[in-house]
Amino acid sequence: GQQLNQSPQSMFIQEGEDVSMNCTSSSIFNTWLWYKQDPGEGPVLLIALYKAGELTSNGRLTAQFGITRKDSFLNISASIPSDVGIYFCAGRLSSGSARQLTFGSGTQLTVLP
Amino acid sequence: DTEVTQTPKHLVMGMTNKKSLKCEQHMGHRAMYWYKQKAKKPPELMFVYSYEKLSINESVPSRFSPECPNSSLLNLHLHALQPEDSALYLCASSPGTVKEPQHFGDGTRLSIL
Repeated sequence: GQQLNQSPQSMFIQEGEDVSMNCTSSSIFNTWLWYKQDPGEGPVLLIALYKAGELTSNGRLTAQFGITRKDSFLNISASIPSDVGIYFCAGRLSSGSARQLTFGSGTQLTVLP
Repeated sequence: DTEVTQTPKHLVMGMTNKKSLKCEQHMGHRAMYWYKQKAKKPPELMFVYSYEKLSINESVPSRFSPECPNSSLLNLHLHALQPEDSALYLCASSPGTVKEPQHFGDGTRLSIL
């Protein structure tokens, strides 16, 4: 069954606003990944996190690996129209196969001009 | 542009047809993956090849048959598919070390008539 809860499911924001989304689980993860998917394309890796407490930035994006290893968040600052898309968190369960990712259900982001 | 190349980009086939999806990467990655993705849903893992050997088969019906001819190529052979198999089929690859993230191709949009 679903082991990752991603929220919110969708967001409508004004251009220039900041955005925050997160993923939580009752299980422990040893890797967190954040992907963005545009229509008609495959997911593109945004940020990879490997250590509890790790905070990593990629331009206007910042993500953190929760200290309990059961959650992660992604922030986007000063949103622009090209930020539109579906954002997925994904992680490797510490108890699972190293090659297997568990995906969140996705956050659909719409940026209004 | 993605470094994982999938062909064809679109495929329409009847339920009695046999076709193949192809995936290629030249990043020296030693693990390759097939995922199935329905609209606005996260990718669902189908198969994993590690060092050219099938290491994970997520209880996929036998009408889907994967093949890994060499470390750069991954095929998915299709036969007698059902309408519910219509989806975006994504290929991904990752380096030999299990810690490194997966990189996705843009997928093949498959429609079964």
